[in-house]
Amino acid sequence: SQTIHQWPATLVQPVGSPLSLECTVEGTSNPNLYWYRQAAGRGLQLLFYSVGIGQISSEVPQNLSASRPQDRQFILSSKKLLLSDSGFYLCAWTQGPLYEQYFGPGTRLTVT
Amino acid sequence: AQSVTQLGSHVSVSEGALVLLRCNYSSSVPPYLFWYVQYPNQGLQLLLKYTTGATLVKGINGFEAEFKKSETSFHLTKPSAHMSDAAEYFCAVSDLEEGGGNKLTFGTGTQLKVEL
Repeated sequence: SQTIHQWPATLVQPVGSPLSLECTVEGTSNPNLYWYRQAAGRGLQLLFYSVGIGQISSEVPQNLSASRPQDRQFILSSKKLLLSDSGFYLCAWTQGPLYEQYFGPGTRLTVT
Repeated sequence: AQSVTQLGSHVSVSEGALVLLRCNYSSSVPPYLFWYVQYPNQGLQLLLKYTTGATLVKGINGFEAEFKKSETSFHLTKPSAHMSDAAEYFCAVSDLEEGGGNKLTFGTGTQLKVEL
């Protein structure tokens, strides 16, 4: 069966510091991968998605970037964090012919 | 572009009472619709989905939803609420992209509170 991992689970970082969040999927190949952010009291905002290695689509221009160096690995990065980057970051995967997405446990990021 | 509206950001019910969470969607193509549940500090878990076929779909934990094309709705129901149902619920519609992006558009969520 497929599983999705995210780490770290929680992170507290100062403003201006770099960020790297990692997501990996097991038990499948060539998945579509997604990064979402969930700010307090708000819904899910799609940040990036990827349909293959090295293929990244950005949904919202911002301080973040994403990379997919391996088939089942998706990384969210920032060179300099802002206070507004705080939130709950969720990674998800799907694979044709599925339409639903399956989510990881999330990373709680607090920028201080 | 697709959109999803969830009426009521907070819903409170008594234990044993009917749960009704409302979702209306806008889509230019036949939609694929989903309900997810999120417990505090956890990821989203798929409750149920509608793609094609029977318009009444059953999901996990006793939840079900009915796709009504004429009303552009996909409301979530459960006959009898349990304390463990307290969580946030998200409705979503699929937005199939050329190139296989398969994005989901989410509603803003409904926080369900279950009281004794």
